Amino acid sequence: AQSVTQLDSQVPVFEEAPVELRCNYSSSVSVYLFWYVQYPNQGLQLLLKYLSGSTLVKGINGFEAEFNKSQTSFHLRKPSVHISDTAEYFCAVISLSGNTPLVFGKGTRLSVIA
Amino acid sequence: GAVVSQHPSRVICKSGTSVKIECRSLDFQATTMFWYRQFPKKSLMLMATSNEGSKATYEQGVEKDKFLINHASLTLSTLTVTSAHPEDSSFYICSARSTGVDYEQYFGPGTRLTVT
Repeated sequence: AQSVTQLDSQVPVFEEAPVELRCNYSSSVSVYLFWYVQYPNQGLQLLLKYLSGSTLVKGINGFEAEFNKSQTSFHLRKPSVHISDTAEYFCAVISLSGNTPLVFGKGTRLSVIA
Repeated sequence: GAVVSQHPSRVICKSGTSVKIECRSLDFQATTMFWYRQFPKKSLMLMATSNEGSKATYEQGVEKDKFLINHASLTLSTLTVTSAHPEDSSFYICSARSTGVDYEQYFGPGTRLTVT
């Protein structure tokens, strides 16, 4: 079974400052990794995903994430945040074996302060 | 890109009534659909997995007689909350997986259910 730990439930950051949202996963098999963003009362929007290849993945809205297999991490970063980045961010994993659903972390609330 | 719709986006119903939520994959065929429930300021909790033409597989602790899931076609799945109670109030999100792609999940916009 897979599990995801998002170490920070809330991250406040000033506008134009950099941010890192942490994600660690646990799995006995190879996985794909995802980051989703959720704005209030909306569904999930895919920010980026790691399937294979380069461990640095670039996504939408200026976000990027780096897959670190030895540390089983997939931290999300943005060099300069905007007010509009205020939202809930979810890290998720899926096993490569079988038709199994995404497993989500508990989410990190990013609050950008003007 | 793949689009998943949900209807209704918001619904208010009285305690004891039933509510049906539809989830449609608009531009692809979805062999598998997933239903999640999200409590305020919480993560998504998987309720069940449904495969077209077969019975849904429910997660532990989810009452299958209360949350009826039907996946009658490759583009439509429905979740019916039967005899709804205020504790069923929540945000319900469906997700669909395209035929032949065993990892990508596309999410609907969610349905806010309020039971009074």
